[in-house]
Amino acid sequence: AQRVTQPEKLLSVFKGAPVELKCNYSYSGSPELFWYVQYSRQRLQLLLRHISRESIKGFTADLNKGETSFHLKKPFAQEEDSAMYYCALNSGGSNYKLTFGKGTLLTVNP
Amino acid sequence: GAVVSQHPSRVICKSGTSVKIECRSLDFQATTMFWYRQFPKQSLMLMATSNEGSKATYEQGVEKDKFLINHASLTLSTLTVTSAHPEDSSFYICSAVRNLAGGELFFGEGSRLTVL
Repeated sequence: AQRVTQPEKLLSVFKGAPVELKCNYSYSGSPELFWYVQYSRQRLQLLLRHISRESIKGFTADLNKGETSFHLKKPFAQEEDSAMYYCALNSGGSNYKLTFGKGTLLTVNP
Repeated sequence: GAVVSQHPSRVICKSGTSVKIECRSLDFQATTMFWYRQFPKQSLMLMATSNEGSKATYEQGVEKDKFLINHASLTLSTLTVTSAHPEDSSFYICSAVRNLAGGELFFGEGSRLTVL
């Protein structure tokens, strides 16, 4: 069965510091991975997906199949990045049946 | 981006009653929607896959008779919590798949159910 692990429940950094949110996965098939973000009192929204290989709001994530990881990184954190971040794995193909990690609450301090 | 709306956003009911939560895709058609449950400070747990025009597919451990799902149209899925008990109190979230340009999942704002 697939599994997504986010080892850090909480992560606190200062503004301007680099940030890395860790995500490891376990899946027998070819993984499709995502990062979702939930700002305070807002709904979950897609931040980025590995197949797009894009940078959104300064965040990037690289799929490392050897280490089964998909860590989210940003070189200079901003206060508005404070949010809950969820790593997710799609095991449902075009149906997007996602398995979520437990989430990491990122706090960026001024 | 596309919009998925849930209603009601908050509901309080008495133990033993049934509660219906709606999930609508406002500007796209969705043959597939999902229902999740989120406990405080925990992740989203997938409850079931809602398929338009057919029966929902439930995840292991989710009681299908307890959580009735109906996906009668391409823009509406409903979750009915039957004979609700306090332990059913939770945050229920839906999502809908928009199958355009590779597909994307859009989430509703969630519905907070409190069973007294």
